[in-house]
Amino acid sequence: DTGVSQDPRHKITKRGQNVTFRCDPISEHNRLYWYRQTLGQGPEFLTYFQNEAQLEKSRLLSDRFSAERPKGSFSTLEIQRTEQGDSAMYLCASSYGQGNNEKLFFGSGTQLSVL
Amino acid sequence: DQQVKQNSPSLSVQEGRISILNCDYTNSMFDYFLWYKKYPAEGPTFLISISSIKDKNEDGRFTVFLNKSAKHLSLHIVPSQPGDSAVYFCAASVVGMRFGAGTRLTVKP
Repeated sequence: DTGVSQDPRHKITKRGQNVTFRCDPISEHNRLYWYRQTLGQGPEFLTYFQNEAQLEKSRLLSDRFSAERPKGSFSTLEIQRTEQGDSAMYLCASSYGQGNNEKLFFGSGTQLSVL
Repeated sequence: DQQVKQNSPSLSVQEGRISILNCDYTNSMFDYFLWYKKYPAEGPTFLISISSIKDKNEDGRFTVFLNKSAKHLSLHIVPSQPGDSAVYFCAASVVGMRFGAGTRLTVKP
């Protein structure tokens, strides 16, 4: 399988705990994105990397959220001191992009439930 | 900031008929538009795209129309099939693609 993979598929945690998600993009893709999706809404942009550089962060991304892509391959998204409002589907996507005309390939997402 | 809007949360059509899904955008800097399809428990998958230099792009049963002056695009599915039942997202490409809220299409046999 050469698609985008995300781990875990589901995560249940208690409020106040830290969680970390992993995304493995398609290997030749240089761009990697994180999105968050809640029920009835479309994916909301969180942040993106071009290779290992984090080039843009949404104002939705509070200080409790941090993302890394240390070697320009896989990426992690960490949420510290989780809150119930963090419950959502976290989607990772990758693309081979040089400009705006790119197609994103999405993983199946990590469904986070904060109790 | 809702730069991409899909005002119809749901649409139901009969098998064999045309499905028309609509999308409006506010940012005139957008120059590339896409439609994604999403099934439950899966990530969105790319369906069709259009560059702002065109007003129509066709791929089999799927056609996307772009009206730049109205900042409006639409997806036509003809003929609709039950397997097309899914949530459809309109997206506009700046770096950090922006998505609409989605339209749930149900195609009834």
